[in-house]
Amino acid sequence: KQEVTQIPAALSVPEGENLVLNCSFTDSAIYNLQWFRQDPGKGLTSLLLIQSSQREQTSGRLNASLDKSSGRSTLYIAASQPGDSATYLCALPNDYKLSFGAGTTVTVRA
Amino acid sequence: DVKVTQSSRYLVKRTGEKVFLECVQDMDHENMFWYRQDPGLGLRLIYFSYDVKMKEKGDIPEGYSVSREKKERFSLILESASTNQTSMYLCASSPPEGLQETQYFGPGTRLLVL
Repeated sequence: KQEVTQIPAALSVPEGENLVLNCSFTDSAIYNLQWFRQDPGKGLTSLLLIQSSQREQTSGRLNASLDKSSGRSTLYIAASQPGDSATYLCALPNDYKLSFGAGTTVTVRA
Repeated sequence: DVKVTQSSRYLVKRTGEKVFLECVQDMDHENMFWYRQDPGLGLRLIYFSYDVKMKEKGDIPEGYSVSREKKERFSLILESASTNQTSMYLCASSPPEGLQETQYFGPGTRLLVL
């Protein structure tokens, strides 16, 4: 059974600082890994999907890396802005479904 | 643009009521999912459907049922609502490639059962 862990649970940084969010998983035989963003009281928005054959994926200020052998993925957000304040979740396929981490709640202070 | 809509953003119901949560997607996706999200427990899969009239139990199906009569619509039914079903409910859909592709989520329905 795939277990997904995200540490820390919460993070507060001043505007302009780079963000580093961590996701670890127990089963390295993964198909892909996804990062989602969730604003308070809202649904999830997909940010990046990394296939198992890739080591990283980039979209604008976001970069996600994947190290299957160590069971880790990291989401980097460069030059953070107050609009980046949200909860970030990672998710991996687990049989027929997605297994989600509990998320990291980010606050970017202006 | 991809769109998953849920019938209500907020619902307040009484214990014992029958509750219907509706989800509609406009992407012609085969797969649809219902999750609930609770603080400290994250997202948990209740039911999913991979085709019209097909359904599979997820991790926590007890107390819930689902209906998929049309491809674009997936309904979650609480036969007799209880206070422990107070939660945020999220619907999602994905194309037939399934977990090779991302899931697209609706805005969520926050349900309060009194």
